[in-house]
Amino acid sequence: GAGVSQSPRYKVAKRGQDVALRCDPISGHVSLFWYQQALGQGPEFLTYFQNEAQLDKSGLPSDRFFAERPEGSVSTLKIQRTQQEDSAVYLCASSLARTAEAFFGQGTRLTVV
Amino acid sequence: GQNIDQPTEMTATEGAIVQINCTYQTSGFNGLFWYQQHAGEAPTFLSYNVLDGLEEKGRFSSFLSRSKGYSYLLLKELQMKDSASYLCAVRDDKIIFGKGTRLHILP
Repeated sequence: GAGVSQSPRYKVAKRGQDVALRCDPISGHVSLFWYQQALGQGPEFLTYFQNEAQLDKSGLPSDRFFAERPEGSVSTLKIQRTQQEDSAVYLCASSLARTAEAFFGQGTRLTVV
Repeated sequence: GQNIDQPTEMTATEGAIVQINCTYQTSGFNGLFWYQQHAGEAPTFLSYNVLDGLEEKGRFSSFLSRSKGYSYLLLKELQMKDSASYLCAVRDDKIIFGKGTRLHILP
């Protein structure tokens, strides 16, 4: 596609509900990143894929967070048993190579009520 | 550890020049990025420095000193639309962002 696509754009979840956030990277981009961004803060790193391999998941805040990219293209970030503190914008970015710039999707704004 | 520092907020006047500084301490280094982010929008790429020196792109320039762990973004001929947050980011394998500098432009 022309750019990084994320869906849904907005998600309201009841506390305790599971959610799945989707990211469609730019075609051919090898690297894929997930970030969490709270209001007024910079993006906080969650996890990173090189093709289908999850090379770094050190930023995932708890074992309720899980990410996958099974075929090295589309990625899904899953949050189980959502809590209010999970409310944030979740940004996905992709890049062509290890030393290239990353391009961001529009993000998914998750609100847990 | 990983640490990227930049000022929280800056204010400048339309038509003026502003310099936003960034210092970093990271375990690896494969380049430094600057991104612009308007409220409610995704970050957009501005510049990429991997070697020391100044990269100029229109009204925006970015400088890097790897030995000092230091970069700055220089914005010239400021316009009201430049009011945004500016994010400094460093890549080793993953890309780590600073907390961003919110730039306010006064008429």
